[in-house]
This record gives sequence, C-alpha cells and structure tokens, in this order.
Amino acid sequence: EAGVTQFPSHSVIEKGQTVTLRCDPISGHDNLYWYRRVMGKEIKFLLHFVKESKQDESGMPNNRFLAERTGGTYSTLKVQPAELEDSGVYFCASSQGHRGTEAFFGQGTRLTVV
Amino acid sequence: AQSVAQPEDQVNVAEGNPLTVKCTYSVSGNPYLFWYVQYPNRGLQFLLKYITGDNLVKGSYGFEAEFNKSQTSFHLKKPSALVSDSALYFCAVRDGSGYSTLTFGKGTMLLVSP
Repeated sequence: EAGVTQFPSHSVIEKGQTVTLRCDPISGHDNLYWYRRVMGKEIKFLLHFVKESKQDESGMPNNRFLAERTGGTYSTLKVQPAELEDSGVYFCASSQGHRGTEAFFGQGTRLTVV
Repeated sequence: AQSVAQPEDQVNVAEGNPLTVKCTYSVSGNPYLFWYVQYPNRGLQFLLKYITGDNLVKGSYGFEAEFNKSQTSFHLKKPSALVSDSALYFCAVRDGSGYSTLTFGKGTMLLVSP
C-alpha cells in the first residue's frame, strides 16, 4: 500500500513568488493534516481536513496560505506571496480516524524562500 | 492549552546500553500520547501510542514507553540501543476529551555510538 506522498521534496523560490505543495494521502483516509517545522523548532499544526471540508484551520499563519482538498482526495497548500519566514519543512499526514488514531506522515517538502 | 516538553536536545548512548528519551506533557483532559521517529530525509514514522489501559506501551523496533499520570510523563525507552536507532524523536499529545489537534515537542536527537 502506498504511503503519504508529497511533491515536491524541495523547493527554492524568491520572496514574493508563489509555491504550491501537493499531498496525496493514503487511499481511504478521510483525515488529512498539514504541519510545518521551522528549523530546530516544534512541528506546528496548520490545518485539518475531513474529506473535503476544513475541520480546523486555526494553525494557518495568515491569509497568504490557502489549502484545498477538492473531492476529498489529494490536497494542495499554496503560499502566495511567499515571505522569508515561510521557509521550513511542510509535512502532510493522513489517518482513518482522528482522536486515538495515529497519523501517517509524508516525507515532507522543504521550502526555502530567498 | 496543551503542550509537550522534550528537555534534551540530544541524547548520546553507546550501542548495547539502555536508552531513555524524556517527554512531559500538559493537557486539560485525557492525554492521548504518541512517539514518532524521523530518520534522515524521511517523514515521521509512528512508533507507539498511549490511549488508555496498561501504562507500559510497547511499539515498533523494540521501543516502549511508560505513561506516568502523576508526573505527566511519557518517556521513551529501549533496553539495548542500536546504532541504527540514531534519529530524531518527537513526542506528541492530543486532548482525548474532545476535538483537539496534535501538539508536538521540539524533538530529541538520539545518537548511538558503536
């Protein structure tokens, strides 16, 4: 069974540009999460989809970040325009259940804004 | 608000010796606790979780963790470390009493020397 897949694995963009990250969850997982880790710090929650609906987007930093999950399958996270502080590793995870269920993580997308 | 503390940035242990990676948490309701491991250039891999029941939880690769409610701790242990255990370890907590996101610690780098 395929795991959680993220594209691209690395992205280097200039400040002010737009970047779109993609996540393909494990098939059949209704719950999809986005997290971000800034160098050396905690992994921070960004948002949670249940199927195509946003269950919780309280962790989204600001309106430059837009997440979508059309059709309840793959998800995209767009940053527009990117700022230097957006640099970090963006993780996607998926799970069947939520509260007591472990999530399966992708390998992450390392975003560097220069 | 819920939080996780991993007091050690790095733990060094010789191969064959027991290892402990510390984690303490704060949550208002019932704690659901998780350990994840990240190997270089890989995503987070689930190791084990505590939801309810026996305080000693056994997980993947010979790891175990003990839930201590009075000390609000969930330390990760292994009786005999392997060089291949060298990786970054994350503790995480969720409030199981209602809807809650997963809160991670900063991570602890485990280095096992031959």
